[in-house]
Amino acid sequence: GAVVSQHPSWVICKSGTSVKIECRSLDFQATTMFWYRQFPKQSLMLMATSNEGSKATYEQGVEKDKFLINHASLTLSTLTVTSAHPEDSSFYICSARDLGGLRNDEQYFGPGTRLTVT
Amino acid sequence: AQSVTQLGSHVSVSEGALVLLRCNYSSSVPPYLFWYVQYPNQGLQLLLKYTSAATLVKGINGFEAEFKKSETSFHLTKPSAHMSDAAEYFCAVSLHLSGGYNKLIFGAGTRLAVHP
Repeated sequence: GAVVSQHPSWVICKSGTSVKIECRSLDFQATTMFWYRQFPKQSLMLMATSNEGSKATYEQGVEKDKFLINHASLTLSTLTVTSAHPEDSSFYICSARDLGGLRNDEQYFGPGTRLTVT
Repeated sequence: AQSVTQLGSHVSVSEGALVLLRCNYSSSVPPYLFWYVQYPNQGLQLLLKYTSAATLVKGINGFEAEFKKSETSFHLTKPSAHMSDAAEYFCAVSLHLSGGYNKLIFGAGTRLAVHP
């Protein structure tokens, strides 16, 4: 159990276009989802915390108008990279917290989405 | 404030040798600590977690970690390395926020190489 999926797994887009990444909890409900960014050979950096039905909380230095997050249901959060530029190329990973789990500290991670902006 | 320091960005061991990946934490409250493994181009998989129960925690794939409060450490070990253990390993501490949810603070990661 506790499976999180991401779609797409990889995407290539042209500079100036927007890209949407989906994060789904497949077998549990997640009131909270997290979006991370990972540059090559580096650690995960939390971008924002997404709560179902409310606005996302962004980490310092993350542009909320560029990285739009929507958490419309208990099983789906989306990250839209608007007007993408080559420097936005990265590996984006989401995680979800299991609302019904015994331990509410555990996060389940998606497989990641590799974004390349040309 | 919580933080995590992983000593050694790269560790190389021989197949069959002991694996030791170091993690030290800083926390003003009793921490929840985690070890995750990441294979290339994949997400993170939980190896084990410490949540204030037994100080010696056993995880998947033969890994274990011991919480030592006096040393503020949570080192990851495995008695005998396999080639399949080659991956990136992240230590993380859970930061509790208002509203009842947490966020994870990750260490910089340690790349484990296993050679024949």
